[in-house]
Amino acid sequence: AQTVTQSQPEMSVQEAETVTLSCTYDTSESDYYLFWYKQPPSRQMILVIRQEAYKQQNATENRFSVNFQKAAKSFSLKISDSQLGDAAMYFCAYRTRSYFTGNQFYFGTGTSLTVIP
Amino acid sequence: DGGITQSPKYLFRKEGQNVTLSCEQNLNHDAMYWYRQDPGQGLRLIYYSQIVNDFQKGDIAEGYSVSREKKESFPLTVTSAQKNPTAFYLCASGIAGAKETQYFGPGTRLLVL
Repeated sequence: AQTVTQSQPEMSVQEAETVTLSCTYDTSESDYYLFWYKQPPSRQMILVIRQEAYKQQNATENRFSVNFQKAAKSFSLKISDSQLGDAAMYFCAYRTRSYFTGNQFYFGTGTSLTVIP
Repeated sequence: DGGITQSPKYLFRKEGQNVTLSCEQNLNHDAMYWYRQDPGQGLRLIYYSQIVNDFQKGDIAEGYSVSREKKESFPLTVTSAQKNPTAFYLCASGIAGAKETQYFGPGTRLLVL
């Protein structure tokens, strides 16, 4: 089974600064999707960004961008110009592209991000 | 409004009791999922369903049961066989297939009395 590792249980960043959250994963597959989800105190899971493994270009969504290193199996999330509303738990997730493996998502254990005013 | 709804927001279970958590979506998604979230453990998959009348066990299915009689609905029953049911339960849905992204409901907090 695939595993997703987030080695930073907690991170903090000064408002308006940049922070990078780390994620590594283990897989034998060559094609897959990677995701970052945000879970604020309301506990609603919100999709932040998605990366397709066959695309070399790193995904970006406004202030959020990823650094996808396929050979290293690394998928970090960079948050620029951090805002107070970015404070949340962030989960990295992996999904196979194969329909026949059931579209299962595998989640990391999360990184709790604190934004300091 | 389109989205995923879960009810109730909080649920209390007595020892030996079965309880059912509701999950409904009006996004026309084929696939639906149930996850359990415990502190420090991320999300763990309980059950998933890719089409009506079909579902598969996830990593921690013991003590849980599901049904998928309608595309819109995927209820989860926490049975008395689940000895440690206190957790936050998240339902998700997505378009089955290669481009699927999962979208989540607001969750149900289950507590044992």
